Amino acid sequence: RKEVEQDPGPFNVPEGATVAFNCTYSNSASQSFFWYRQDCRKEPKLLMSVYSSGNEDGRFTAQLNRASQYISLLIRDSKLSDSATYLCVVGHGGQNFVFGPGTRLSVLP
Amino acid sequence: GAVVSQHPSWVICKSGTSVKIECRSLDFQATTMFWYRQFPKQSLMLMATSNEGSKATYEQGVEKDKFLINHASLTLSTLTVTSAHPEDSSFYICSAQEVWSNGNTIYFGEGSWLTVV
Repeated sequence: RKEVEQDPGPFNVPEGATVAFNCTYSNSASQSFFWYRQDCRKEPKLLMSVYSSGNEDGRFTAQLNRASQYISLLIRDSKLSDSATYLCVVGHGGQNFVFGPGTRLSVLP
Repeated sequence: GAVVSQHPSWVICKSGTSVKIECRSLDFQATTMFWYRQFPKQSLMLMATSNEGSKATYEQGVEKDKFLINHASLTLSTLTVTSAHPEDSSFYICSAQEVWSNGNTIYFGEGSWLTVV
């Protein structure tokens, strides 16, 4: 089993739809959690950190469930520009960051 | 957010030659940087963790003598692909770790496309 797993995707949704991605991690000692976005042929960019209390940034909401060891990302009112691969990243503290395989999202007109 | 610069963005080299890629943290000091490789339509693969002033830690299966990493200062790490072969052609990305009192965040360079002909 991989240390960080994500919905396999791809997700093809119409503009304006709400879409949710899930990510599970196996290391219960994980301390930090992030969602990154990677556009085709570009580097990943930090979308948002994920806090225990959950956090929201505009149309994006991230939640963390430590008991079940999963993280979610919710995108509301999706835009064409949201089309990308979304990477779940889990940190164990210090230098150890593990990336999930990514979930590809295509928002269709 | 913090800025990490990677250079060159694109490089084409002949088989058997060596190529150096630089990764710089522009507005913060990074004791730890990471080097990744990504093949088309595949996920990021961590190659090695670069620690300032000490030897890099390589992931299993990554040849340390082929992929030389130097992290001589708190703002610069370099990856040298030695004796490059066509199968080394890939997207190489670095990231640098910014340390905060309440946790760490990593920021990525723009990536370097290497084509070995």
